[in-house]
Amino acid sequence: RKEVEQDPGPFNVPEGATVAFNCTYSNSASQSFFWYRQDCRKEPKLLMSVYSSGNEDGRFTAQLNRASQYISLLIRDSKLSDSATYLCVVPAEGSNYQLIWGAGTKLIIKP
Amino acid sequence: ETGVTQTPRHLVMGMTNKKSLKCEQHLGHNAMYWYKQSAKKPLELMFVYSLEERVENNSVPSRFSPECPNSSHLFLHLHTLQPEDSALYLCASSQQNRVTGELFFGEGSRLTVL
Repeated sequence: RKEVEQDPGPFNVPEGATVAFNCTYSNSASQSFFWYRQDCRKEPKLLMSVYSSGNEDGRFTAQLNRASQYISLLIRDSKLSDSATYLCVVPAEGSNYQLIWGAGTKLIIKP
Repeated sequence: ETGVTQTPRHLVMGMTNKKSLKCEQHLGHNAMYWYKQSAKKPLELMFVYSLEERVENNSVPSRFSPECPNSSHLFLHLHTLQPEDSALYLCASSQQNRVTGELFFGEGSRLTVL
């Protein structure tokens, strides 16, 4: 099993729809998780941090399922500007600075 | 002024060249990172400096040599690179241990090795 695994997509979604994608991780001891967003040919930027069961910020909801070792990202009322690649990030075991990055899920919102 | 600035943004070099990538952070952060991002692959951590001391070195080939002269500047010296080293090199900084802190990235230096 890969340390952090994501469906690469692309997810093609009409504007206004709700979309969700998952990320599975192997480090069962992880206490924190992150979703980053990366626009085409740009740098990654933190979207949400998840430290307990989940987090919500406006149209974005992140949920953590420790038993099944996955985190999900739900986007409601999607906008054209939500088109990006979403990166799932999990701290590595035994390191203070190492983060394990997923390869990302590409989302395309269509008008 | 952007928080993390990288130069050059684009670099093309031959396998025998020597070049350097520069990163500067204006956020007052304590830790700085070099990451490599290849197409359709996850980000790979290369080096981490905390308070100017190297704290992580992820089995990176010696043709990549980092330098951190102070807490605001980070360099990546490149020498005798291979075509497979072509990638986007991202610099990042964080205030503290990344478990509780957010990483702030520069826009990256896109490297092509001929």
